[in-house]
Amino acid sequence: DAGITQSPRHKVTETGTPVTLRCHQTENHRYMYWYRQDPGHGLRLIHYSYGVKDTDKGEVSDGYSVSRSKTEDFLLTLESATSSQTSVYFCAISDSDSRGGEQYFGPGTRLTVT
Amino acid sequence: AQSVSQHNHHVILSEAASLELGCNYSYGGTVNLFWYVQYPGQHLQLLLKYFSGDPLVKGIKGFEAEFIKSKFSFNLRKPSVQWSDTAEYFCAVTLDRGSTLGRLYFGRGTQLTVWP
Repeated sequence: DAGITQSPRHKVTETGTPVTLRCHQTENHRYMYWYRQDPGHGLRLIHYSYGVKDTDKGEVSDGYSVSRSKTEDFLLTLESATSSQTSVYFCAISDSDSRGGEQYFGPGTRLTVT
Repeated sequence: AQSVSQHNHHVILSEAASLELGCNYSYGGTVNLFWYVQYPGQHLQLLLKYFSGDPLVKGIKGFEAEFIKSKFSFNLRKPSVQWSDTAEYFCAVTLDRGSTLGRLYFGRGTQLTVWP
């Protein structure tokens, strides 16, 4: 398995509180992604990064921000959590910049917003 | 907008039955195609992928998929399923437009349940 860890693995938080999820990789891959997985929707891209300090929005970015200050870490922040952000969050990494390289996924973080 | 359609939301089979899961995409250009599997409580793992060449692709655990360009399809098959194949299966696509970002577009997933 690719060296990807996510923390925390489970979190319950209250509406309106800020939450930060961490993705850490030991593969030195350039590209990192945050997805959310919801029943009936598959995985949807929230934000992605193509290098340190280089990030961009995906298809469901509202209410989320990201930061990447080091190659190995990609942080996802919910500025003010809402119940609609209850989901399972997956981080993915890729080292390929040609032809859509294979992505390797982390174990996921289950977030519940009450 | 690009889209990936998986026709079956939940498939229930008995062991040794044959499996075919449908996947269609809506992009007229060159695509790269993937099938991922997610076992209960686990992360996504790559089953197989198609970039070019032989349209019949063989993956891990006896799975294969056929790319039919004229039908915009990439169906997943397995001749004889096992109880351990119980999982959720996702079809995904990236667009070969010279983008360096490799963004994956996922289908909604198909839950496969195999009864022993």
